Amino acid sequence: KQEVTQIPAALSVPEGENLVLNCSFTDSAIYNLQWFRQDPGKGLTSLLLIQSSQREQTSGRLNASLDKSSGRSTLYIAASQPGDSATYLCAVQSNYQLIWGAGTKLIIKP
Amino acid sequence: SQTIHQWPATLVQPVGSPLSLECTVEGTSNPNLYWYRQAAGRGLQLLFYSVGIGQISSEVPQNLSASRPQDRQFILSSKKLLLSDSGFYLCACSGGLYNEQFFGPGTRLTVL
Repeated sequence: KQEVTQIPAALSVPEGENLVLNCSFTDSAIYNLQWFRQDPGKGLTSLLLIQSSQREQTSGRLNASLDKSSGRSTLYIAASQPGDSATYLCAVQSNYQLIWGAGTKLIIKP
Repeated sequence: SQTIHQWPATLVQPVGSPLSLECTVEGTSNPNLYWYRQAAGRGLQLLFYSVGIGQISSEVPQNLSASRPQDRQFILSSKKLLLSDSGFYLCACSGGLYNEQFFGPGTRLTVL
């Protein structure tokens, strides 16, 4: 059974720092992996999707990597800003379903 | 690109009352559709998914049901709400080559 773990559960850093969020999964037989952000009381916004055959994807200040063999993905945020404060969720896809991590709550201090 | 509409945005209902939440999708055809629930401070729980009209798969036994009367319409229902049904309900769709999931704005349901 696929399990997804995100570490840390919460992270608070000063504005301007580069940071890394971690996601690990137990079964390497995945179709793809997605990173989402969720603002309080809001829906989820898809940030990046990495196909199982890819190693990384970039969008602006965000870079996500995937190492299927070790069951790990990281989300790198460069030059963090207060507007990056949110909960970040990773999810791996098997069949039609996403298996979710519990999320990392990120606070960027001005 | 696809747009997902959900209504209502918020809902307060008494225990034992019926429920109907609606989700519609624009900008895509034959999507996979999903209903999730997120309890306060908790992760996402997949409730139902659908790969086509009239095709519903249930992930968690409960007093909720789902229907897909049209290709881009997904409805979540209950005949009698329980206190434990309170939560944030999210509709999502996926499709295309990579089956990327996109989410609607959600409905916050409070059962009193």
